[in-house]
Amino acid sequence: GENVEQHPSTLSVQEGDSAVIKCTYSDSASNYFPWYKQELGKGPQLIIDIRSNVGEKKDQRIAVTLNKTAKHFSLHITETQPEDSAVYFCAAFTYTGGFKTIFGAGTRLFVKA
Amino acid sequence: DTEVTQTPKHLVMGMTNKKSLKCEQHMGHRAMYWYKQKAKKPPELMFVYSYEKLSINESVPSRFSPECPNSSLLNLHLHALQPEDSALYLCASSQSSPGRMGTGPQETQYFGPGTRLLVL
Repeated sequence: GENVEQHPSTLSVQEGDSAVIKCTYSDSASNYFPWYKQELGKGPQLIIDIRSNVGEKKDQRIAVTLNKTAKHFSLHITETQPEDSAVYFCAAFTYTGGFKTIFGAGTRLFVKA
Repeated sequence: DTEVTQTPKHLVMGMTNKKSLKCEQHMGHRAMYWYKQKAKKPPELMFVYSYEKLSINESVPSRFSPECPNSSLLNLHLHALQPEDSALYLCASSQSSPGRMGTGPQETQYFGPGTRLLVL
């Protein structure tokens, strides 16, 4: 079936450094890619998304890039802060037996003060 | 307002109990979802409702029974659960269930805080 691979599974950075999380998807027809942040004890929160007619999107310290040819997309967080510590999930919107969102396995980000 | 609310926050139940999880949104969204999330894993889709009709059932056991009484409410009825059903149950909603991909923001899902379920 369709899947999304996400790397790394754990990422530890020093406060102020940048963090990059990478994902690869399998369904070439996917054209919507959201990123979610999940803090402990909470539901996933949408932080940024990108559609396949766009190569890059930025929102303050967060940016997402998409390479449709390679079926790769990445999340970039600059000037990381301790409150960025959370689990981040990438996802791809696909159609397999119905429209659905396929999530990556998640990346646990630790930002050390 | 992009809020999805879920009740209860926590639930402990025995394997013979019957309980219900509730989800509510007032964003005018016409698609609503139930997900199950185990610790350190991504959310797994269980059910999708589109315009109050069940459109996707991901081969979920019949001990989980969804219900969509109106466009703002989504319930998940639980009966005879097993300990392995213990998990965080997440509700989400989106503007609509898109008829074809890439046609707008219909796909963007907003999640509630979840109900943490423990089955003893």
